[in-house]
Amino acid sequence: DGGITQSPKYLFRKEGQNVTLSCEQNLNHDAMYWYRQDPGQGLRLIYYSQIVNDFQKGDIAEGYSVSREKKESFPLTVTSAQKNPTAFYLCASRTGTGATRHGYTFGSGTRLTVV
Amino acid sequence: DAKTTQPPSMDCAEGRAANLPCNHSTISGNEYVYWYRQIHSQGPQYIIHGLKNNETNEMASLIITEDRKSSTLILPHATLRDTAVYYCIVRGANAGKSTFGDGTTLTVKP
Repeated sequence: DGGITQSPKYLFRKEGQNVTLSCEQNLNHDAMYWYRQDPGQGLRLIYYSQIVNDFQKGDIAEGYSVSREKKESFPLTVTSAQKNPTAFYLCASRTGTGATRHGYTFGSGTRLTVV
Repeated sequence: DAKTTQPPSMDCAEGRAANLPCNHSTISGNEYVYWYRQIHSQGPQYIIHGLKNNETNEMASLIITEDRKSSTLILPHATLRDTAVYYCIVRGANAGKSTFGDGTTLTVKP
């Protein structure tokens, strides 16, 4: 079955360390997204990419970096510059043309905790 | 993308219809209304979307007002498993990104 896979499900990071969250999709979707969710709050957009080798900052990009070398993959690096990285991170994908029947497809998320 | 406004929380009795409102008064002509829901600690799941006409699928119905400035998601017979956060977003078909607000927390009670 096609889908979007995030790994790991839980991740612990020491302060001052960079950490990379994986997101892979086999839906042949053009666009991919990273969102951050804090407890009791909605989703905030970190970065998005509409095509390979191109990406744009979202609303809260500071302290994060991404790459899009392959259509299937959109890893997110949480750098030491991100002052409060503990959160639930969600990756999503979407086909790039038309009002698709399903809009966004989300992964199951990665819960990052700084220890 | 147009901004949406939703009530922060709602309760519904099990077996009754849950009607979740969304205001999107700045929606433009080519923007669709999408609804998603998020069960605790999972990724949001698509429910339904529409442009002008009312829509129905196996999960829910979407009623869009004639002026398109608001919509209502209807879960016809709510169950305890429908307890979740429901997000209403507005997006053009080829828009690069979407903004998710805080959504409505629906609690279905026995």
